[in-house]
Amino acid sequence: AQKITQTQPGMFVQEKEAVTLDCTYDTSDQSYGLFWYKQPSSGEMIFLIYQGSYDEQNATEGRYSLNFQKARKSANLVISASQLGDSAMYFCAMRGGYSTLTFGKGTMLLVSP
Amino acid sequence: NAGVTQTPKFRVLKTGQSMTLLCAQDMNHEYMYWYRQDPGMGLRLIHYSVGEGTTAKGEVPDGYNVSRLKKQNFLLGLESAAPSQTSVYFCASRPLEPNTEAFFGQGTRLTVV
Repeated sequence: AQKITQTQPGMFVQEKEAVTLDCTYDTSDQSYGLFWYKQPSSGEMIFLIYQGSYDEQNATEGRYSLNFQKARKSANLVISASQLGDSAMYFCAMRGGYSTLTFGKGTMLLVSP
Repeated sequence: NAGVTQTPKFRVLKTGQSMTLLCAQDMNHEYMYWYRQDPGMGLRLIHYSVGEGTTAKGEVPDGYNVSRLKKQNFLLGLESAAPSQTSVYFCASRPLEPNTEAFFGQGTRLTVV
């Protein structure tokens, strides 16, 4: 069975600072994928970034990067230069059989001016 | 672009009533999913479908039924609603390629009283 653990229920960061949201995972699969989604207060799920288990480079998408440490089974999301609009719930998820997703419980990020 | 559309967006049901949630996608995706989101629990998989005419159980299938008679539609049914089914329901779809993200609908907020 797959498991995603997000140990930070809430995080605070000041505008323009960088923040790291933690995600650890557990799986017996050799091939897997890790995703981060953002859920603003309006409720929709917004895809941010993807990392495949065989990808040699850490994934980056604009201000988002994924710090993938395979041996430690961690896939932390790094947001550089935080903006007020980054305030949201963030979910880490792992791809399973038939591309189903197992989600963590999420981290609420609050960006202050 | 419509993407994934869920109907309705909000609904209040009385205990014991039945209802069907409709999910429609216009991206010709093979895979479709129903998740529920409860406070502090992240998203959990209810049922999924890997193609027209096929369905399978996810992590929390009890009390729900699904059908996928057409490739673009995935229906979630509650035959006899219970207060424990009060939740936000998300539909998602994705193509066959594994290294791609799932696209989510805007969610349906269901309250069972």
